Amino acid sequence: EVQLVESGGGLVQPGRSLRLSCAASGFTFDEYAMHWVRQAPGKGLEWVSGISWNSGSIGYADSVKGRFTVSRDNAKNSLYLQMNSLRAEDTALYFCAKGSSGYFVMYYFDYWGQGTLVTVSS
Amino acid sequence: QSVLTQPPSASGTPGQRVTISCSGSSSNIGSNTVNWYQQLPGTAPKLFIYTNNQRPSGVPDRFSGSKSGTSASLAISGLQSEDEADYYCAAWDDSLNGWVFGGGTKLTVL
Repeated sequence: EVQLVESGGGLVQPGRSLRLSCAASGFTFDEYAMHWVRQAPGKGLEWVSGISWNSGSIGYADSVKGRFTVSRDNAKNSLYLQMNSLRAEDTALYFCAKGSSGYFVMYYFDYWGQGTLVTVSS
Repeated sequence: QSVLTQPPSASGTPGQRVTISCSGSSSNIGSNTVNWYQQLPGTAPKLFIYTNNQRPSGVPDRFSGSKSGTSASLAISGLQSEDEADYYCAAWDDSLNGWVFGGGTKLTVL
């Protein structure tokens, strides 16, 4: 059974940093792309970032480019999101999602975690 | 404002057929496949339709997807109370080099 468990969320002041983690199990982690998707309170879904199976290809939404960095550790079956210079508009539930292929371009997200809440407020 | 456009709400009575639309452009739906996600209240999204019209195992055949040009649709026949959820369309966007979602449609079973 595929399981994705996010952690690292919390309350943080504007301008500060936070690092999210996603622990994966139930599939061969190093064969698939992984993504971060967020959902602001009461709002829709927004793709944040994607990373290919070998970290060779990475993409970001314009809203986070230059502030967020995605990475993965295939030896630890883990995905990360380093979030710097946080803003109030980054407040959201952050989901980790598994890609259906090794590349984050195209295809689809076939499994999702339950999310970790990030609140940016002074 | 979402790149893909969905109606914010849709509704129907049990047994009815309901369609949810998703409108995009040549850089997303017009050149790539469309996926649909269902999000039940308080839960994570779940893949519901992939590659325009394919159903993952466990999704009832009452649900079907289609795509034509720069638009896509999710059709639900024989509406049931358990179908109440938010539905999101998504596609890869070649111009933005990223994934784009619709704003979501809240389906209510009256």
